[in-house]
This record gives sequence, C-alpha cells and structure tokens, in this order.
Amino acid sequence: EVHLVESGGGLVLPGGSLRLSCVASGFTFSNYWMHWVRQAPGKGLEWVGRSTNYADFVKGRFTISRDNAKNTLYLQMKSLSAEDTAVYYCARVGVAGEGAFDVWGHGTMVTVSS
Amino acid sequence: DILMTQSPSSLSASVGDRVTITCRASQIIDRYLNWYQHKPGEAPRLLIYAASSLQSGVPPRFSGGGSGTDFTLTISSLQPEDFATYYCQQSYSTPRWTFGQGTKVEIK
Repeated sequence: EVHLVESGGGLVLPGGSLRLSCVASGFTFSNYWMHWVRQAPGKGLEWVGRSTNYADFVKGRFTISRDNAKNTLYLQMKSLSAEDTAVYYCARVGVAGEGAFDVWGHGTMVTVSS
Repeated sequence: DILMTQSPSSLSASVGDRVTITCRASQIIDRYLNWYQHKPGEAPRLLIYAASSLQSGVPPRFSGGGSGTDFTLTISSLQPEDFATYYCQQSYSTPRWTFGQGTKVEIK
C-alpha cells in the first residue's frame, strides 16, 4: 500500500529553523515528483514548493531536497515567522494525473511562537 | 501566478441534494484542473483530475466538467460522508501549482 508519512514538526521560536521529513513507502519513490503543501489554521491549502521551485512567500527561506535511497523528501525551513504556522503535507504527483496530487501524507504541524 | 477562485465559499445542503461548486482560473489552463476533498485531521483526497477524470476509488456521484477558465465539481446526491471542504487546483503552470480558497460543504 502506498503511504507518505511526515515528521519533524513542532514548536519553534520566531526566527528559528526546522527540518521536516516525508518517508514514502509502497512505490518507487525516485520515479515521482514530490511537493510540499501547507494549511495554516483556518485557511486553505497552499502550495509550498517542489525541487528548486517555491512559492513567493518562501523568499529563499526554505529548501526542498530528497534522498531517493532513503525514500525521503525533506523541507528545511529557516527564518520562521508566525505566518509559517501550519500543517505541512507532502504530496505525490501521479503519473497519469496531469499534475494532480494523488497521494498525500497526514501532515505534520509546525507552530512558530514565542 | 494563476489565481483560482471558487464559489461559493461555503454552502449548506441536505443528504440527497445535488451540489455544484465552481472554480474560475485567472487565465486559460486548458483542462489542467484537479479537485480535492479535505476533512479535518485527514489527508486531502484527490477526486477529479484533468477536469473530468474520476480518480480510482472515488464514487461516481462525483463528476467534474469545464475547460479553459471555468470548471465545475458536481456531487449528484450528497452523502453524509461528503461533508467536507473542497478545493480546486491548477497544474497548468508547472511547477507553480495554485489552489482555490476552498468551498466548505455543511449539513443543512
């Protein structure tokens, strides 16, 4: 069965850093594009990025990487602010879906607060 | 970035109702439009891809339509498990995907 499991979230001080991980199982990870999407409390889904492409709000603060040998996607975040408080999801782009995210993790919560 | 606008932002409906949600793109996106269902505490779920293709395992009461800039998601007969928030998403401007703001479907 196909699974994505995020981890690494938690409480971080404003200006701090955090690294999120997303472990994939049940499929050949290296064959798929993987993205990060977030949802702030009470807000909608917001695309974060893929590979070297990021949403404007990232402003050079986030870095996405992957280790295909470990079936793991990463999101390194720095200079965090309260506006980055959100559930962070990793999502897989399906091969037949014309860019649709066909598999999602359950997310990991990041809270930026003093 | 391509702006995606959904309407309505929320709606109240009863079990058995036919529900239609619309999504408009700020520029032509052909049929690169996908729909998701999201319930609190759960992973989002892909319902429709490429505007009208039903994702495997999704009940046929869900359908999608449209092309260009205007799209619809229709639930033909609302079921109790369908109360959720629905999002459209464009995948035309690879890889800068954008979502609509969401439509919350609530029980009347």
